[in-house]
Amino acid sequence: GAVVSQHPSRVICKSGTSVKIECRSLDFQATTMFWYRQFPKQSLMLMATSNEGSKATYEQGVEKDKFLINHASLTLSTLTVTSAHPEDSSFYICSAPGTAYNEQFFGPGTRLTVL
Amino acid sequence: RKEVEQDPGPFNVPEGATVAFNCTYSNSASQSFFWYRQDCRKEPKLLMSVYSSGNEDGRFTAQLNRASQYISLLIRDSKLSDSATYLCVVNFVSGGYNKLIFGAGTRLAVHP
Repeated sequence: GAVVSQHPSRVICKSGTSVKIECRSLDFQATTMFWYRQFPKQSLMLMATSNEGSKATYEQGVEKDKFLINHASLTLSTLTVTSAHPEDSSFYICSAPGTAYNEQFFGPGTRLTVL
Repeated sequence: RKEVEQDPGPFNVPEGATVAFNCTYSNSASQSFFWYRQDCRKEPKLLMSVYSSGNEDGRFTAQLNRASQYISLLIRDSKLSDSATYLCVVNFVSGGYNKLIFGAGTRLAVHP
């Protein structure tokens, strides 16, 4: 099946720094990608929909200036957490839709820890 | 009210047991329904889609009741490897996109 990769898999950073997470579709093109966040023992929450060549669509309550999304090519979307704070520590997962109806391929996730 | 609600568990069952998970969803416009499995610190993986007619995949049976907005998953003859968190997921179209809404998950622990 199709593969979605994320990099890095784990990152630890200091409060106030910015962290970039990459999501790549390895063997298919994705004009749309989705970014989720999951806190411990909670559900995956959709943060935003990344659109190749246009602005991302953010879910209600997600600060677009804090979570910068860039979908520069048909195989790459990036999420930058700007001025990270400890409360941003979470598991960030991206996904890309496949060609079949309702098909979704998830990346392995990035665990962010902000000290 | 959460869009997708599940009993968080944990369900602690012995090998060979039958266990059932329930889920309710609030958006009547939801179009597709799924059960995903998530292992600790991993991404979710699709277990099975859920259809109104009910569907079975080996030891797993899923049911959907649209009138009650209720979804279930039955696992028969539980294996140790079934230990994971089971996520109830609904899909609907919003803003031109298919969006997945996840429940918080039900944790299953199968013991020898």
